[in-house]
Amino acid sequence: QQQVKQSPQSLIVQKGGISIINCAYENTAFDYFPWYQQFPGKGPALLIAIRPDVSEKKEGRFTISFNKSAKQFSLHIMDSQPGDSATYFCAASRMGSARQLTFGSGTQLTVLP
Amino acid sequence: SQTIHQWPATLVQPVGSPLSLECTVEGTSNPNLYWYRQAAGRGLQLLFYSVGIGQISSEVPQNLSASRPQDRQFILSSKKLLLSDSGFYLCAWSATGANYGYTFGSGTRLTVV
Repeated sequence: QQQVKQSPQSLIVQKGGISIINCAYENTAFDYFPWYQQFPGKGPALLIAIRPDVSEKKEGRFTISFNKSAKQFSLHIMDSQPGDSATYFCAASRMGSARQLTFGSGTQLTVLP
Repeated sequence: SQTIHQWPATLVQPVGSPLSLECTVEGTSNPNLYWYRQAAGRGLQLLFYSVGIGQISSEVPQNLSASRPQDRQFILSSKKLLLSDSGFYLCAWSATGANYGYTFGSGTRLTVV
């Protein structure tokens, strides 16, 4: 019940295109859904996050869509740029003092120039 | 502002040697602290987390141990490294309460030879 399943494992998109990464979770107690961006040799950095009381959150070119009934959420990167090439991780956490995040397996995004 | 420091950035150690990786957080108090490992091209595996001084929870039985001797200091150790301990080790912190986000350090690339 703690799993977060992420797809696809890798994604190649042309510059200017839309990148879409999907995640599904099982534990209905999860109440926080962040996305992290990781460049090679660096630690992951928080990109955008959503709570289950909203269905969509947008920050610049990045949008999270959240479907509570389906227990799915996705990251959309509009007008993808070569600088967006990185590994993206979805995650989810549940109530608790340690706020432990359960991470998806990651998606390696390559944006071709 | 809060910052997280992790060192060393890279480390090459022989099999059977000890290990000590250190992580410190500045600008906050009583953070939740985490150690993650990331194998090459793989996802993030939670190794240990701590909600307070001397409080360590282990997620995965292994050749590693963690300690939190001070509020903002988290140490990952091993008495005898194995080849399988190679990987990218990441420290992270989060605040208790309403701030759910994790902030990761820059990571330590450990190669056991």
